[in-house]
Amino acid sequence: GENVEQHPSTLSVQEGDSAVIKCTYSDSASNYFPWYKQELGKRPQLIIDIRSNVGEKKDQRIAVTLNKTAKHFSLHITETQPEDSAVYFCAASNPGNQFYFGTGTSLTVIP
Amino acid sequence: KAGVTQTPRYLIKTRGQQVTLSCSPISGHRSVSWYQQTPGQGLQFLFEYFSETQRNKGNFPGRFSGRQFSNSRSEMNVSTLELGDSALYLCASSLGQPAGGYTFGSGTRLTVV
Repeated sequence: GENVEQHPSTLSVQEGDSAVIKCTYSDSASNYFPWYKQELGKRPQLIIDIRSNVGEKKDQRIAVTLNKTAKHFSLHITETQPEDSAVYFCAASNPGNQFYFGTGTSLTVIP
Repeated sequence: KAGVTQTPRYLIKTRGQQVTLSCSPISGHRSVSWYQQTPGQGLQFLFEYFSETQRNKGNFPGRFSGRQFSNSRSEMNVSTLELGDSALYLCASSLGQPAGGYTFGSGTRLTVV
């Protein structure tokens, strides 16, 4: 089955700096890669996603890149703000709609 | 439109008991997936139901079971509860089509004492 690895497990950045979280996957059949943000005590929420036929997608301060050949994808957050502090999960989904999640990255933005 | 609704929000049960959790998906979503979330363990996949059929299953013991009704609402049952079953149980709904994202419910916090 699919194996999704996520790094780092914790990340601290100064407000205004950029944050990068990286994930790798093993199954070349995976074709959809969402990212979720989970604030303390709340549900995971989809913040951005990318499909396998696209190399990069941006939404304001958030971007995701996908390298299908190397089987890795990354989340980039620019101009970080304290409200970006949360746990971020990457996931890979196959055509059978089964999702495999990374173990999460706890991001802390220091004011 | 209404989001994914999970009930109850909190539960306290005793070891050996059984528990049933409920999840009502977003209207029109036919797929419901269940996850167990514990500190440091991320999101552990339990199973997915689509059109009343279990389509995918994770690596959990048979004490964990589920079902889906014709209106797409889903229930999850855990029998013979163990202390290690204490966790946040999240359900997520989607259209069930490839490359469609999940919408998660707020979860049910289960504590086993």
